[in-house]
Amino acid sequence: GQQLNQSPQSMFIQEGEDVSMNCTSSSIFNTWLWYKQDPGEGPVLLIALYKAGELTSNGRLTAQFGITRKDSFLNISASIPSDVGIYFCAGQLTGAQKLVFGQGTRLTINP
Amino acid sequence: GAVVSQHPSRVICKSGTSVKIECRSLDFQATTMFWYRQFPKQSLMLMATSNEGSKATYEQGVEKDKFLINHASLTLSTLTVTSAHPEDSSFYICSAWTSGDNTDTQYFGPGTRLTVL
Repeated sequence: GQQLNQSPQSMFIQEGEDVSMNCTSSSIFNTWLWYKQDPGEGPVLLIALYKAGELTSNGRLTAQFGITRKDSFLNISASIPSDVGIYFCAGQLTGAQKLVFGQGTRLTINP
Repeated sequence: GAVVSQHPSRVICKSGTSVKIECRSLDFQATTMFWYRQFPKQSLMLMATSNEGSKATYEQGVEKDKFLINHASLTLSTLTVTSAHPEDSSFYICSAWTSGDNTDTQYFGPGTRLTVL
């Protein structure tokens, strides 16, 4: 089946540092979504991207839809303790409603 | 953003019993909802696509007779785990699909932690 390669799998950073994670695929997607999941909770939508090359920000978060439509990245600037959690990318193939998920990036922040 | 609720948030049951989980879209209508399960430290695994007014579409390897899905209205889908066994213990999450002008999005519920004794 379709797969998304998300990296890194985990990150250990100091508070205040910037964070970058990305997802790549061999397939072309028409939508990229980034979610954050806290322990014991469902994923919460952070940013949605719908056009190749689109760059969208949500506060300290910035995400881009790759030009090739096969990749996307998420950046977090000036990390704070509440940024801790697992971040998932998800892609939607053209004509499909199902999402394909990345493996997740676990973010840990040292105060 | 759109709000999706799940009930119950946590359930503990005995082996052999059935458990029903509800998923509701609170401020929008969803013709399509999805059911996922998630094991510890793993990504979400799609179980089935729930379509209002029609039969659910199950992913390969998911037993449709064990995981009964009903999408009776545009705001409610239910997942019933029949004859639950300890290996069914997991975190079950639903999502609801919304679409606009080329702006499809899925919003997730808070999840239901099922523990089968």
